[in-house]
Amino acid sequence: DGGITQSPKYLFRKEGQNVTLSCEQNLNHDAMYWYRQDPGQGLRLIYYSQIVNDFQKGDIAEGYSVSREKKESFPLTVTSAQKNPTAFYLCASSIDRGMLNTNEKLFFGSGTQLSVL
Amino acid sequence: RKEVEQDPGPFNVPEGATVAFNCTYSNSASQSFFWYRQDCRKEPKLLMSVYSSGNEDGRFTAQLNRASQYISLLIRDSKLSDSATYLCVVNGYQKVTFGTGTKLQVIP
Repeated sequence: DGGITQSPKYLFRKEGQNVTLSCEQNLNHDAMYWYRQDPGQGLRLIYYSQIVNDFQKGDIAEGYSVSREKKESFPLTVTSAQKNPTAFYLCASSIDRGMLNTNEKLFFGSGTQLSVL
Repeated sequence: RKEVEQDPGPFNVPEGATVAFNCTYSNSASQSFFWYRQDCRKEPKLLMSVYSSGNEDGRFTAQLNRASQYISLLIRDSKLSDSATYLCVVNGYQKVTFGTGTKLQVIP
C-alpha cells in the first residue's frame, strides 16, 4: 500500500543535541512538507520541497534543517538552535505543490512526538 | 486578523444531535477549501472538500460562502465516533493554511 511513513513515533532530545526525524513516501509525490503542531494551534509549515535537491523555508524554519537527496525521503533535523522543540511533527506530501490551489490534497504521515528531556 | 479562524470549542453535544462549525478566512483569493478530521495525537485525515455549490457526504454537509469568506461543516445525527478535532484548511496559490481546529465531544 502507498503512503507516508514517519519514524520514530516518539523521540526524546537532550539539551544541546541534534535529532533527526525520518519521513519516507512511496506515493511518487514530488512535493513534501514538514509541519509542527503545538497544543491549541494550527499546523505551521517548517520546510517544504518541490523537487529533489531543492527545498524552501516555511514560516518557522529557524532551528531546523532538511535535505532532499531522494524523491522518497525528506528528513528533518531539529538542531540545538531550536530552543522550544517539544511539539508534534507531521510530514506530508502532495503530487505537486503548484496544484495545491486546486483540489489537490495533502497526504500525512502518522507524526512524531518530540519531547525535551 | 488570522488567515484562518475557528472557534476552538470544545463543543459538547449529546449523541444524535446536529452540530455546526464555521471557519472564516481572510484571503479573498483563496481557491480551495477542505475539512480535515484529527484524532488526538494522530495525523489529520481528509474529511471532505468544500465546493461552492455545497456538498454532502452521508451525515456531513459542507458549505462555502465566498461573499462572507467562511466555510461551514454540519454534522447530523452525531455519533460517539465523531468526537475529534475538525480542522479547516484553506488553499491559496501554493500555500496551505490550517485553522487551529474545533474540538467536538459527543456525549452518550
